[in-house]
Formats: sequence, structure tokens, C-alpha cells
Amino acid sequence: GAVVSQHPSRVICKSGTSVKIECRSLDFQATTMFWYRQFPKKSLMLMATSNEGSKATYEQGVEKDKFLINHASLTLSTLTVTSAHPEDSSFYICSATPGQNEKLFFGSGTQLSVL
Amino acid sequence: DAKTTQPPSMDCAEGRAANLPCNHSTISGNEYVYWYRQIHSQGPQYIIHGLKNNETNEMASLIITEDRKSSTLILPHATLRDTAVYYCIVQAGGYQKVTFGTGTKLQVIP
Repeated sequence: GAVVSQHPSRVICKSGTSVKIECRSLDFQATTMFWYRQFPKKSLMLMATSNEGSKATYEQGVEKDKFLINHASLTLSTLTVTSAHPEDSSFYICSATPGQNEKLFFGSGTQLSVL
Repeated sequence: DAKTTQPPSMDCAEGRAANLPCNHSTISGNEYVYWYRQIHSQGPQYIIHGLKNNETNEMASLIITEDRKSSTLILPHATLRDTAVYYCIVQAGGYQKVTFGTGTKLQVIP
């Protein structure tokens, strides 16, 4: 079945550094991908919709300069957390769908810890 | 905002059927009901979806009321591996964004 690969699964970084998270659709093309963040014992919160070849659409309250999204190809979207701070520590999850009226496939998530 | 309401938690004995309810009273005619689950520290996993008819697959059954304002996910023989948070979502066709509610934490008890 369709698979979405997310990398890295875990990253620890120092405050002030930037971290890039990759999300790949392995066996289908995804013109749209979604990025979520999740705090412990909380639900997934949609951060942005990533559109291939165009700018991402961010949800209200999500800083676009803080969370840079690039969707340069039909199989890859990246989320860069710029100048990370401890409050950015969270579980980040991407998802993609093969087409309209199709279910979402999710990556395995990235646990970001900022020291 | 999430368009669904689910109980925050449920327990189920191993081997018994787990029935997880979901209310989606504002569902539109073109919106499907999807169910996903998330096992601790993993990405969510698709379970099943439907529009108006009841559906069954190898994982579960989905019962949608005739007015489509609520649905029930049925895991026929729950196992310990079914312990997870279950999310009910209404989703229109196309590439519209999907938002998650709080879900139901299902605990399967030995």
C-alpha cells in the first residue's frame, strides 16, 4: 500500500539552530501534503497545507517565517523549523493523499527536542 | 474547528467488540466519515471510511445512521494491540485540509 516516509524520526538540537524534516510519498505523487504538530496527550494540530509548486497555506497562529515549508516535487515536502527554541519541542507529523476522495497516509512522525 | 464529538475515553475487554461512537451533526452531503487511529508516538493509521452506507473491511466495521449525524466504529474482537486513540473525521472530497478533534482513547484490558 501507499507509504509516506518521514525523516528523521527523532532530532535533538541546540536553541537557535534550524532543523529540517522531510516527508516523502514513496509510491504515489502528492500535490498536497499536510503538516501537523502534536503536544503530549493532545490531538494533532494542523499547521499548514503544502502545495507542490506554490506557497504553503498556513493555519492561523502559525508563523510562516518560523516554520518554512517547501514542496518542490510531487513526492517531497520539507518543514524547516528556523531558529528553534525549547517551546518548538513537539512531535511533528506529515501526511499526504494519492488523490481526491482518498484517505490520508501519515508519516511516522518526528520528535523534536530543542535544548 | 473539528466537526466531530467523541467520548474522551473507553475501556474494552480483550476479545470483546469495541464500539466507538462519533457525533457529526453538521456533516454536509459531500462529506465522508473517516476513522483513523494513533498508537502512542506513531503517525495515525487509516481504518475505514464511508459516505452513507455501512462499511466493513479487515480491520473494522462502520455504521452510519440514516440521517448521517452520527456513526459507530466497531472493532469486532478487540486485542491489546488495538489500544490507541481513535479519531473520527468528516472530510469532503478533494484536497481540503483535515482537522482532528480530541478523539477517543481506547484501552483494551486483558
